[in-house]
Amino acid sequence: AQSVTQLDSQVPVFEEAPVELRCNYSSSVSVYLFWYVQYPNQGLQLLLKYLSGSTLVKGINGFEAEFNKSQTSFHLRKPSVHISDTAEYFCAVRIAMTSYDKVIFGPGTSLSVIP
Amino acid sequence: DAGVIQSPRHEVTEMGQEVTLRCKPISGHNSLFWYRQTMMRGLELLIYFNNNVPIDDSGMPEDRFSAKMPNASFSTLKIQPSEPRDSAVYFCASSPSGEDTQYFGPGTRLTVL
Repeated sequence: AQSVTQLDSQVPVFEEAPVELRCNYSSSVSVYLFWYVQYPNQGLQLLLKYLSGSTLVKGINGFEAEFNKSQTSFHLRKPSVHISDTAEYFCAVRIAMTSYDKVIFGPGTSLSVIP
Repeated sequence: DAGVIQSPRHEVTEMGQEVTLRCKPISGHNSLFWYRQTMMRGLELLIYFNNNVPIDDSGMPEDRFSAKMPNASFSTLKIQPSEPRDSAVYFCASSPSGEDTQYFGPGTRLTVL
């Protein structure tokens, strides 16, 4: 079965420090991968996505992620976080179903930036 | 572009009552998704429509839940009768044809007492 794992449910980090949010997926076929961010009391919005090509993907707000096929990972990184980055981050994978391609979301990682 | 519009933003109701959540997708998007978000279960896909037709409703919890999409600009999610365990934030999202990105609405926070 296809699944998405985010090992860290909560990540506290000091302002201006680097951060990495981990995401691993299980799939026997090619996948498309996404990171979404959810700010408090808002819906999710796309940070970045990997469809093909370069394994290093850059997104909004200075975030980037690297697709590693051998490790089935798609970790999200930012070299220097801001208070405004405090939010919930969701990794997602698109998988091929019999009738359509379904997007499965991970459980989320809560990033707290400490002043 | 107004984005995905959901109403109401908050709903408080008593157990046994009927609840109807509404969604207006972004104009031109032909895919629509309903999700439920709780602390315990995270983000769950309830149902997916494509061109107003339900494609995947395997996530609908039980017969108390129903969803309709009578036209390209409107969808409803109905719970009848509601139960306290239905308390959650319900999100609607839409996506244009051929694109992977889903655009989420602000959500409806449902509390069933």
